[in-house]
Order: sequence, then C-alpha cells, then structure tokens
Amino acid sequence: AQTVTQSQPEMSVQEAETVTLSCTYDTSESDYYLFWYKQPPSRQMILVIRQEAYKQQNATENRFSVNFQKAAKSFSLKISDSQLGDAAMYFCAIYSGGSNYKLTFGKGTLLTVNP
Amino acid sequence: NAGVTQTPKFQVLKTGQSMTLQCAQDMNHEYMSWYRQDPGMGLRLIHYSVGAGITDQGEVPNGYNVSRSTTEDFPLRLLSAAPSQTSVYFCASSPTLSGTPFRGYTFGSGTRLTVV
Repeated sequence: AQTVTQSQPEMSVQEAETVTLSCTYDTSESDYYLFWYKQPPSRQMILVIRQEAYKQQNATENRFSVNFQKAAKSFSLKISDSQLGDAAMYFCAIYSGGSNYKLTFGKGTLLTVNP
Repeated sequence: NAGVTQTPKFQVLKTGQSMTLQCAQDMNHEYMSWYRQDPGMGLRLIHYSVGAGITDQGEVPNGYNVSRSTTEDFPLRLLSAAPSQTSVYFCASSPTLSGTPFRGYTFGSGTRLTVV
C-alpha cells in the first residue's frame, strides 16, 4: 500500500517570494515515482514536476524544484519568484508499481499568492 | 489538440437517474482510469483499464460501471445516481510501462456532477 500526506491544507505567499509545500509518503517499494500536480481554478490537472526515486538529484522545472529526501520519505515542492498564476491547489502523488498503474494522491494544499 | 476529452463538463442529475460520462483519448494510451475528487479527500480511483476489453475496480467502485471496447474510449456509467456521487470526475490516461519510465497521467478537464 502507498500513502501520501500533505500536512498543509492552505498556504499563502507574497508575489515574487518563495514558498515550500510539504509532502510525505509511505511505500514498501524501493522503486517509485513522485509527482506534483497543479490544479488552478479552471480545474485542469497539470503536471508540475516528476521525480524518479532511484535518482538522487532533485528535479527542477524552471521556478519549480523539489527537495527529495528518500530516507525521510519526504518530497517538498519549492516555488521561487511566485507569480499570481501559481495560485492553485497542489497535489502530491506517488506511483510505486503494480498492474493497476495507480497514482495515490494527497489531499492537496491550496496556495494563495498575494499581490 | 491531442489529449483526453471528457464530456459533459457539468451535469445535474436527480436521485435515481442514470447517465454516462464520456472519455476519449487520441494518444493511443493503453491505460485509462476514472478518479473522483471530493473536498478534503484528494483524488480516488474508481475504475481503470489497461487495454481494450480489460477493466478492473479501484478503491471506490460501488455505483459505477465501465467498459473498454476500443483503445480510445472509456465511458463511466452511473447506474442509479445518489447524492453521495456528487463530485468532480476526472478521466486520465497513460502509456503502460514497457521498459520505459512512468511519466504520470494526462488528465481530462473534468466533469462536475451534482446529484439532487
């Protein structure tokens, strides 16, 4: 079984500043994938960043980066130079194998960006 | 545009009515799935399919049926709608793993369903 916990239901950040969203997970597998998805008010689910567990290097995508701590089972998302368009619900998710290709999602963190 | 297309975007049903949510993808993905999103619950897997003719249950399958007659289409049927099925429904697709890394799902734009 795999679980994902997002302990911050809501976060806020000032425009142009940096914010970190927390995610912890649990899995008994040694090989797995971690994801952050963004859901803006349009409702569309957008892949922000992806991390393969066997890679020690933290993934980055422009202003988005992760801090992947495998031993601690932690996968936080850092958003630098926050923009108004970053305001959204953010979901952390894990895939750790299995024939159902199931992604298990956290409950989400609602990010507000203040001008 | 290539991707996952869901229809309708919004729907209101009366308790006991049935309906089908449509999902189609044009990326030749073997894997397709349905999730429901409820406030404070994240996304939960309803049903999934790893290819035409193959379907299986997820974690919240009760009250829903699926079929997969073609690679492209994966409709979700609500047999007798209940207020507890008020939710946002997402269809998602992915290539199945064949020696390649898993890159996550492509999601449809969602259907907001209200059962009164």
